[in-house]
Order: sequence, then C-alpha cells, then structure tokens
Amino acid sequence: GAGVSQSPSNKVTEKGKDVELRCDPISGHTALYWYRQSLGQGLEFLIYFQGNSAPDKSGLPSDRFSAERTGGSVSTLTIQRTQQEDSAVYLCASGTLNQPQHFGDGTRLSIL
Amino acid sequence: KQEVTQIPAALSVPEGENLVLNCSFTDSAIYNLQWFRQDPGKGLTSLLLIQSSQREQTSGRLNASLDKSSGRSTLYIAASQPGDSATYLCAVTGTASKLTFGTGTRLQVTL
Repeated sequence: GAGVSQSPSNKVTEKGKDVELRCDPISGHTALYWYRQSLGQGLEFLIYFQGNSAPDKSGLPSDRFSAERTGGSVSTLTIQRTQQEDSAVYLCASGTLNQPQHFGDGTRLSIL
Repeated sequence: KQEVTQIPAALSVPEGENLVLNCSFTDSAIYNLQWFRQDPGKGLTSLLLIQSSQREQTSGRLNASLDKSSGRSTLYIAASQPGDSATYLCAVTGTASKLTFGTGTRLQVTL
C-alpha cells in the first residue's frame, strides 16, 4: 500500500529495556512527525523532521527519547531505559507543507 | 501555549440526525485547522483541512467552519449513519506544521 507504515504494531517489554519504533512514510513526503497518544494526555507532538533534520524536538519528554531519519525516508524513535509512563500508542505521520498529514496505525507500546 | 478544547466529550445520536461538534483554540495565530477521524485501534484519517484564510470546507456530508478571530471551529455532519461512529479530533497547525490536538469527541450513531 501507499500509506504510512509503522512497525511493530504492538510491543510489550520490561521496564528498563530499550525499544525502537519504526516509521516508513509515504514516498515523496518531506515532513515526518512523531506523536504520542496516551489515556491521560491525549495526543501529543514529539518531534518533527524536514528531510533528515529535526528542526523541532520540543515534544520529546526526556533525554531517554531520541529519533533519527535517514535518506529522507525511514525514521526510528528510540526510547532508552523504558518506564511504565512510556506506555502509549506512538503515531507517525508524513506530509508536505500545508497539506493534511497522513497517519500510520501506530505502535502500541506496553511497559511491564 | 496553544490549547485546543472539544465539546462535547461524547455524543450519542440516532441514525439520520444532523449533529455539530465544537472545537475551540486559544491562540488564533494558526496556519490551518484539521478535523480527523479515529477508529478504535487505528491511526487518524484526515477529513477536512481549512486554511487560515478560509471560512469553511465541505466534503460530502461533512462541513467544517473556521472563525479564526474567535478561535472556534465546528464540524457539521448531516444525516448521520452508524458508520460515522468514531472519535473526532480537531487539530491546529502552528509553527513548523506541528499539530496541537484537542481531546476529541467520541460519537456513537445508533440504529
């Protein structure tokens, strides 16, 4: 399909482990976004990429969170030393300026 | 800091009714406003995007309006159907195309 693809769809891990979440954007979309959706906080912006650079990282909640994008395409969001409060659905979106963002189905992360 | 509020939080209507969902935002310096639909366990589907210079957008049975100066938007759904049952989110775009989301309205359309 031509949509935004995220993997894995579900991830269960133990507290303290590192996790990597992957996002494959729609081909040609220069902008890529990560959001987090949790019960208590709603949908929150994490980070924005334009090409391979991240001009806005203001939503990353702590230095345990990092993200990169390579080749202007695939992006990975890494959470180190996971905590229970990291449990949420992590959504990726891609788009172009002033056009609707297209969302993937998300990765549901559960920290035991 | 931009804050987006949606009222009501939940709504149940019988099939065929017209309905209005409300969205308000605190900072009128926006580039655009979008309405999304989210089905359980799924991502978001963009329904309508209204640029800051526009007053409304229409797509099929959906009509969204924007009053930027008062910080308000409404989503009007005509002749509701059970398939319209979902959570509806509004989001405003500020700097760097970053979306700030409302808390959503959970809609149920009953037979």
